[in-house]
Amino acid sequence: DTGVSQDPRHKITKRGQNVTFRCDPISEHNRLYWYRQTLGQGPEFLTYFQNEAQLEKSRLLSDRFSAERPKGSFSTLEIQRTEQGDSAMYLCASSSLLVPSTDTQYFGPGTRLTVL
Amino acid sequence: AQTVTQSQPEMSVQEAETVTLSCTYDTSESDYYLFWYKQPPSRQMILVIRQEAYKQQNATENRFSVNFQKAAKSFSLKISDSQLGDAAMYFCAYRSALAGNQFYFGTGTSLTVIP
Repeated sequence: DTGVSQDPRHKITKRGQNVTFRCDPISEHNRLYWYRQTLGQGPEFLTYFQNEAQLEKSRLLSDRFSAERPKGSFSTLEIQRTEQGDSAMYLCASSSLLVPSTDTQYFGPGTRLTVL
Repeated sequence: AQTVTQSQPEMSVQEAETVTLSCTYDTSESDYYLFWYKQPPSRQMILVIRQEAYKQQNATENRFSVNFQKAAKSFSLKISDSQLGDAAMYFCAYRSALAGNQFYFGTGTSLTVIP
């Protein structure tokens, strides 16, 4: 198991374009999280899945943001009509409900989005 | 919402010395988890140490230990025998054991290790 992976690692886009990021969690993990991290700040929670169900969404997640986890494995985060304020590092993390002390989240390397 | 405060934006330590990073949090809950994560430059965040609020004993992981003061809502990280590889951004995080599953992170402390 190689840990949580994210693709792409970097994305540069023009304002108004749509972008999609992918996260592959650790294979046996059934919980998946998306965070946004801006420079000099800690990660801010965006949304959380347990298997394929999206159980929590932050108020930070405007209607331009949508996340899916169709088969309870990988997840995608789409941002429509990107704005310069969307520029940030988007982090994915996963954890397992089935392992004792299951609240530990394991993070991916992130996707750095730059909106021009 | 819970808040996590790291009042030291930057810290430095001499190699082989000990440094303590501070973290305070605000919550009305009695059952929760606390974490320290390390984020090296341009690398992904990794877990350093975790503490369950119901445990009175402070967690330790090799050179890393915490001082958990529940009444004071304080959760500091002590790094002993600091190594060059310890240089990173350190984030304190809180998660409720009861409601929801999101983590609340502090703003981080940037640790420099001086050779």
